[in-house]
Amino acid sequence: NAGVMQNPRHLVRRRGQEARLRCSPVKGHSHVYWYRQLPEEGLKFMVYLQKENIIDESGMPKERFSAEFPKEGPSILRIQQVVRGDSAAYFCASSKPGTGGEQYFGPGTRLTVT
Amino acid sequence: GDSVTQMEGPVTLSEEAFLTINCTYTATGYPSLFWYVQYPGEGLQLLLKATKADDKGSNKGFEATYRKETTSFHLEKGSVQVSDSAVYFCALSDGGSQGNLIFGKGTKLSVKP
Repeated sequence: NAGVMQNPRHLVRRRGQEARLRCSPVKGHSHVYWYRQLPEEGLKFMVYLQKENIIDESGMPKERFSAEFPKEGPSILRIQQVVRGDSAAYFCASSKPGTGGEQYFGPGTRLTVT
Repeated sequence: GDSVTQMEGPVTLSEEAFLTINCTYTATGYPSLFWYVQYPGEGLQLLLKATKADDKGSNKGFEATYRKETTSFHLEKGSVQVSDSAVYFCALSDGGSQGNLIFGKGTKLSVKP
């Protein structure tokens, strides 16, 4: 009974490189959410996806960030040309349709940009 | 926009002490309210929830009541244990964005034996 899986758990990138974060939702969950937690801050919503569709990306920075949830495989959060301010913990969550805020969270990926 | 404010931590208590973590919210509609808990090195876990005014959510000895008149959802436990040491997040979901959560900053609780 696997929960939400995220990898890698820790990722170090130099400024200007690309960061690719993966999330496998709970089996049977079709909704995926990405959140970012900056130091000393709460989690901030970034994007909400269903299979092959972006439903709400209102929390996503307009440039350099993109997300996908393909028909097969994990959801990917991609950050291009990373900057120091992207250093944060990125959490993925999944849910079934119609369960509102009852989401299951992964352990997070801690991104450090040097 | 919608927001959640919870008491600043860290909170340090002795085992068997009474716990209250305050949480208030601002929302234009009728949100659902949640408490999530994060143990060290793990992801967030849903602790309890309430979906309408006067509902009481409860789990593992923790309780919180949805108070519309005071826009609050304070977390309480009558007797904490060392194993309750974690970070607690209050959150709301307005449903309008189909379930994305708005979180408070989190309150770190440490329980000493």
